[in-house]
Amino acid sequence: GENVEQHPSTLSVQEGDSAVIKCTYSDSASNYFPWYKQELGKGPQLIIDIRSNVGEKKDQRIAVTLNKTAKHFSLHITETQPEDSAVYFCAASWGGDSWGKLQFGAGTQVVVTP
Amino acid sequence: GAVVSQHPSRVICKSGTSVKIECRSLDFQATTMFWYRQFPKQSLMLMATSNEGSKATYEQGVEKDKFLINHASLTLSTLTVTSAHPEDSSFYICSAMPTQGGNYGYTFGSGTRLTVV
Repeated sequence: GENVEQHPSTLSVQEGDSAVIKCTYSDSASNYFPWYKQELGKGPQLIIDIRSNVGEKKDQRIAVTLNKTAKHFSLHITETQPEDSAVYFCAASWGGDSWGKLQFGAGTQVVVTP
Repeated sequence: GAVVSQHPSRVICKSGTSVKIECRSLDFQATTMFWYRQFPKQSLMLMATSNEGSKATYEQGVEKDKFLINHASLTLSTLTVTSAHPEDSSFYICSAMPTQGGNYGYTFGSGTRLTVV
């Protein structure tokens, strides 16, 4: 199966600063890497994703980078705002017999202080 | 965009009773849906994969007789927690993948907070 490790578990940043969350995965066959934001009592919301044939993707203040060789991917949030405070999860998916399964990281609690 | 509706959002039940949770894809067809469980301050753990018209596939350690899954149509999957006990109290979340695939998009429901008393 797949194993996803996520660091750090908590991250405190000053409003306006950048936040970086890193994940590693174990299965080289993994081909899709989404990031989710989860607010208290709610389901996860997809904020950005990347496929294995792409090295970087950006959407306004959010970017994701993927290093297939090293099997790690990172989430970058720039110009953080208080509303960015939430738990962020990385995940990895793969095809074949496990098509469609997502293995989640442990999550990162992000706190943005004004 | 793709929307997944999950109902109820919260439920409290007595120990020994059964609870049904519904997961509906509102604007797309989903051959495959997934059920997750999340304990406080923990990650999402996949419980089972629900396939329309066939039996669900359960992850190791998940009791299929306790967590009954039915995926009777392309837009509805249900999870029934049978003979619930306090240790079954958790946040249950479903996700759906469009039948047409393509974007590998997984849309999640808003979750169901189950409390067994």
